[in-house]
Formats: sequence, structure tokens, C-alpha cells
Amino acid sequence: AQTVTQSQPEMSVQEAETVTLSCTYDTSESNYYLFWYKQPPSRQMILVIRQEAYKQQNATENRFSVNFQKAAKSFSLKISDSQLGDTAMYFCAFMKHNTDKLIFGTGTRLQVFP
Amino acid sequence: SAVISQKPSRDICQRGTSLTIQCQVDSQVTMMFWYRQQPGQSLTLIATANQGSEATYESGFVIDKFPISRPNLTFSTLTVSNMSPEDSSIYLCSVVITGSGSYGYTFGSGTRLTVV
Repeated sequence: AQTVTQSQPEMSVQEAETVTLSCTYDTSESNYYLFWYKQPPSRQMILVIRQEAYKQQNATENRFSVNFQKAAKSFSLKISDSQLGDTAMYFCAFMKHNTDKLIFGTGTRLQVFP
Repeated sequence: SAVISQKPSRDICQRGTSLTIQCQVDSQVTMMFWYRQQPGQSLTLIATANQGSEATYESGFVIDKFPISRPNLTFSTLTVSNMSPEDSSIYLCSVVITGSGSYGYTFGSGTRLTVV
């Protein structure tokens, strides 16, 4: 069975600085997707970034980028130029190809300070 | 991307009663998913709802406790039956969005349920 581990329950960063959130996963599959979701206090789950396992190039979305290390089964999220609006719970998630079932990590609470 | 309307947004219910949560999508989707997020916890998949067939439940979740309806391609309901305080959670519906080389989930805004 697949598992997703987020070893940092809480992180904090000062506005405009850079922070990296860690995620590791365990799977025997070769074809899958990885996601980072953000959940602000509003409870809305917001897709931050997506990575297809078959792509070697790391995904980027504006200030958000990932470091995808397939052999190490690591999928970290880097947030550059942190903003107060980035304060939220961040979930790493795994989806095996052709299953449509998301498996979530336990989350990292990120606090951005002015 | 799809827009999901979920209601109610929150409710406080007496133990032993049932609550039905509605999820409306602005486009037709094959599968809809229901997740539970217990206080301070991550999201756990309850079941997958396909239109025209019975929902598929994950281990630890049963139809008698969480009956699901899926009458058409844009709508689904989840009922939390015979509630106890342990059912206090956020319940979220979601759909898979594909197209234009993208793939991912879109979530409703969630229903915060408190059972007293």
C-alpha cells in the first residue's frame, strides 16, 4: 500500500523568505502523480502544484516549485518570496495512475510572519 | 476547472440523527469522491460515487453509515447516519478534472459537522 509522510507538523517563515516543505512517499508503482494542496482556514482545498512521475523536470508554478527525486521517493515543495496569504495547511498527496484515489500525508502547518 | 457547490457549509447535530450533505458540480463528471477530515487530521477517502451504480467504499467505511446517492453526472449526496460525536469532522466532495494536459482534483468547500 502507498503511504505519504510529511515529517514537519509545523513550519514558520518570515515574509519574503523561502521555505521548503518535505514529503516522502512509499510505492512500488512506476506511474503516478504527486500533488501539493493548500488548505487555508476557509477549509477550501486548493491545488498548488502537480508532478507526473514520468516527467524528470521539476514542476513550477510561479513562486511554487518542487524538488522531485523519484529514486529517493521525495517530493518537497519550495515556496519563494513567501506571502502572508501562504499561511495554511499544506498536504502532500499521491495518486496511482488510473485509480483516481488520492492518498494524503498528515499535513504541514505553515505560518508566514510579517 | 470545475466549480463545486457543497452544502451545508456547517451544521451542529444531535447524536442519533442523520445529516445529508449535497454536492453540485457545474459540469458533468464520471466520478465523484467523498473525503472525511477529522479534527487536526488529514483527508481520508470515504467512497467513490459513480453515476448509475452503487458507491465503492474504502476500508473502514460502510454503506449503512454513509449512504451515498449519485442520481446524475453533476450531483451527489452523502448522508452521515446515526451520528455520534466521533463523526464530528469536515466532509469534502471532490471531482477529477482532466484536459489540456492537466490532471487533478477539485474540492468543494467542505461541510463542518459537529455532533453534540
